[in-house]
This record gives sequence, C-alpha cells and structure tokens, in this order.
Amino acid sequence: GAGVSQSPSNKVTEKGKDVELRCDPISGHTALYWYRQSLGQGLEFLIYFQGNSAPDKSGLPSDRFSAERTGGSVSTLTIQRTQQEDSAVYLCASSLAASGMADTQYFGPGTRLTVL
Amino acid sequence: GEDVEQSLFLSVREGDSSVINCTYTDSSSTYLYWYKQEPGAGLQLLTYIFSNMDMKQDQRLTVLLNKKDKHLSLRIADTQTGDSAIYFCAVTGGGNKLTFGTGTQLKVEL
Repeated sequence: GAGVSQSPSNKVTEKGKDVELRCDPISGHTALYWYRQSLGQGLEFLIYFQGNSAPDKSGLPSDRFSAERTGGSVSTLTIQRTQQEDSAVYLCASSLAASGMADTQYFGPGTRLTVL
Repeated sequence: GEDVEQSLFLSVREGDSSVINCTYTDSSSTYLYWYKQEPGAGLQLLTYIFSNMDMKQDQRLTVLLNKKDKHLSLRIADTQTGDSAIYFCAVTGGGNKLTFGTGTQLKVEL
C-alpha cells in the first residue's frame, strides 16, 4: 500500500479484556516497529521485527503484551487482561532497514486504545 | 538507557524563525531524526542528519548537530501557522529502535 495502515483507529475496551491491534506495513519493508504514545510516558519503543531474526522485545512493559508478525508482513500486537494504564495511542512503523543508510521509519496513524 | 530531552513549548510569531532544541546522552547514534506530529495525526518524518555532519539544510529547515555537546537543533525559517505542531527529535542509540524526546509543542501566532 501507499503507507503504513493500522486498525482499528479507535478501540474502547473494558478492564480485563484482551485486545488485538493490527499493522500493515509498507510493501517491501523488512523492519516493523511498535511504539506507544501516552501522556505520562511520551513515545516509547515496544518491539521490533527484522526479517526472520528473533524480535527485539526489550520495550514490552509486561508479559501481558505480545506481538507477532506473520509471513514477514502484517503484525498483530496483543494486550491481555488490559489495565487502565494501557490506555495510549499505539503506533506502528516500518522501514527498509537497508544497511549503510538512514533507517527511515514511516509511521501509521496509530490506534487509540481506551481502557475503561 | 538513552535519555533525550526537549523543551516542552515554543511560541513564535508568523514569519519569524523557530529553533527547537534537543539534547541526548548516547553518542553512538548514527542518525538523528526530526519528526512532526499534527493534532490527531501520526508522526511525519521531517528530516534527519548523519552523525558525521554538522549541518543539513532542506528548504526552510536547518538541522545543526554539535556532537561534542550532544545537542541537536531544528531551525524553521519563515515559520507559518501550518507549522504549528509537536516536534520530536529521535536518536537510534541501541540498534534501529528510536528513542524519542519529550516533544516540543510549537505555537505560531499571527
């Protein structure tokens, strides 16, 4: 597609429920990133996928958070047993990850998650 | 870990220059980036600079990098009302993941 797309654009859920957020990266981009933007914490890195390598999960805040990337393209971020502090905008980005060049990350519009 | 700091607010008059500053702690970043976020929108890449450069100019945007002081700035010439947004600097301290600054909200007044 023309850009990174994310769905849903907005998600309201009740505390304790599980949610799935989807990201479609730019076609041909091998790297995919998830970030979270919240009022208290700013923009935080969550997880990074690069080709067939093991993902960098160092930013995931707890074991309630997980992500997968199927077929090297679409990614799903899953939050289990959501808490109110999970309320944030979840941003996905993708890049070519070409060596020796700036790894320009292109961001999607985000999913605004509200946990009641 | 990496720490990236920005001032929270900047107010300028239309037509003036805006200078948004950023300081960081990790000197290993190869590239340093500036992103723009308009209300309700995602992050838009504005420009970036390679760490062995001191300056990069791109139309109305000028990026200055002082590696010794770990200081990055973005100058917007002839600031317009459409430039009102939040501006984030970002560095790649550990691998490809970005560490963002706190963001500077730029307000352009008529």
